[in-house]
Amino acid sequence: ETGVTQTPRHLVMGMTNKKSLKCEQHLGHNAMYWYKQSAKKPLELMFVYNFKEQTENNSVPSRFSPECPNSSHLFLHLHTLQPEDSALYLCASSQGRGRGGQGEQFFGPGTRLTVL
Amino acid sequence: GDSVTQMEGPVTLSEEAFLTINCTYTATGYPSLFWYVQYPGEGLQLLLKATKADDKGSNKGFEATYRKETTSFHLEKGSVQVSDSAVYFCALSAGGGADGLTFGKGTHLIIQP
Repeated sequence: ETGVTQTPRHLVMGMTNKKSLKCEQHLGHNAMYWYKQSAKKPLELMFVYNFKEQTENNSVPSRFSPECPNSSHLFLHLHTLQPEDSALYLCASSQGRGRGGQGEQFFGPGTRLTVL
Repeated sequence: GDSVTQMEGPVTLSEEAFLTINCTYTATGYPSLFWYVQYPGEGLQLLLKATKADDKGSNKGFEATYRKETTSFHLEKGSVQVSDSAVYFCALSAGGGADGLTFGKGTHLIIQP
């Protein structure tokens, strides 16, 4: 596979469930990101990992828990979500800080999450 | 903080019409600027970029010029096709690497045959 992949593509969960979103990048990048895309709102940056270290947590509620075991994989663990958390969750990757990148990020197809 | 403002639309045009989607930004320093496109049911794809003043990014017939004096990065295409129907996002990166992008709200473009 090439580029950035995300699984699952669609997820429906109840408010008491626990689920995880997975992202994998095949681009040799060192930085990975989670974004939330809701209708009528700009994309919201949630988390940034640079060389497996979390460098940004954009005031995200604790019911969202990221994990980055290596530079190629990123997870978003979900628990006790609310209906307003329903959205498209996008993963992206880029060259790491200090690696000459110009800031462009490459996105996966997203996971469409519905919380009932 | 950094911000990006773009027309939200929807913008509806006929096939072969000229397209302009306006984008202006506010940022400290010298950001890199991007246009991304999102087709239905898909993630964002990088369409073009510019990294310094007066740079012109181009791809698939689309162009945008980094105008520092007007803090703008307007997207243009001379003759649109039905297949160009999508949502277009203007974005900036202030950090140059491993920093989140700041996005506009997106412009929904509809091209009618």
